[in-house]
Amino acid sequence: QSVLTQPPSVSAAPGQKVTISCSGSTSNIGNNYVSWYQHLPGTAPKLLIYDNDKRPSGIPDRFSGSKSGTSATLGITGLQTGDEADYYCEAWDSSLSAWVFGGGTKVTVL
Amino acid sequence: EVQLVESGGGLVKPGGSLRLSCGASGFTFSSYGMSWVRQAPGKGLEWVSTINGNSDYKYYADSVKGRFTISRDNPRNSVYLQMNSLRVEDTAVYYCARGKDVAPTYHHFDYWGQGALVTVSS
Repeated sequence: QSVLTQPPSVSAAPGQKVTISCSGSTSNIGNNYVSWYQHLPGTAPKLLIYDNDKRPSGIPDRFSGSKSGTSATLGITGLQTGDEADYYCEAWDSSLSAWVFGGGTKVTVL
Repeated sequence: EVQLVESGGGLVKPGGSLRLSCGASGFTFSSYGMSWVRQAPGKGLEWVSTINGNSDYKYYADSVKGRFTISRDNPRNSVYLQMNSLRVEDTAVYYCARGKDVAPTYHHFDYWGQGALVTVSS
């Protein structure tokens, strides 16, 4: 069972928007920065969002991140078939002295 | 261009040892922290270990503490993961990842390798 909780799956039609939630506690999300990664199994994971809401260069603004209290959210607008992948949230956990990941959310484009 | 290439994966019996290597290029290696993150079959990502730029700080997940050792060789632009007393549950694809050499709360994994498969089975 993961320290950070994500829904197992979300889906939407092409062009629509999806949001992925990530719930934690004061020892991780509540007092530390959140990052988000896109991963196609067997390939290298890709950083999408860091420091809660910042995008690395090359990541389109269709991807956005936000944080409120002990929860974070990843938003994907203008959904494309190429967005089908697993998405993970991640944060430092001050109590565990460990980086923790959510269980992952599979995005399906209908 | 940042590149991370893992090697050293393979099949090992329970209780055995294996050493993973990750060669880096395209950036000033000693200025970055390096990590190992794994993904067991059908499971999500799990952080394993992190070492800072000058090897002063090393962090381990509880699941590998006392069995795995992370190290780095800055002149060779390489980071290693020595895995001892391997268990069936250590079977996973192991990814090498780069991160800023900063306090943990600011540290994220900005570049990843393609991964190396480690299978622990009798």
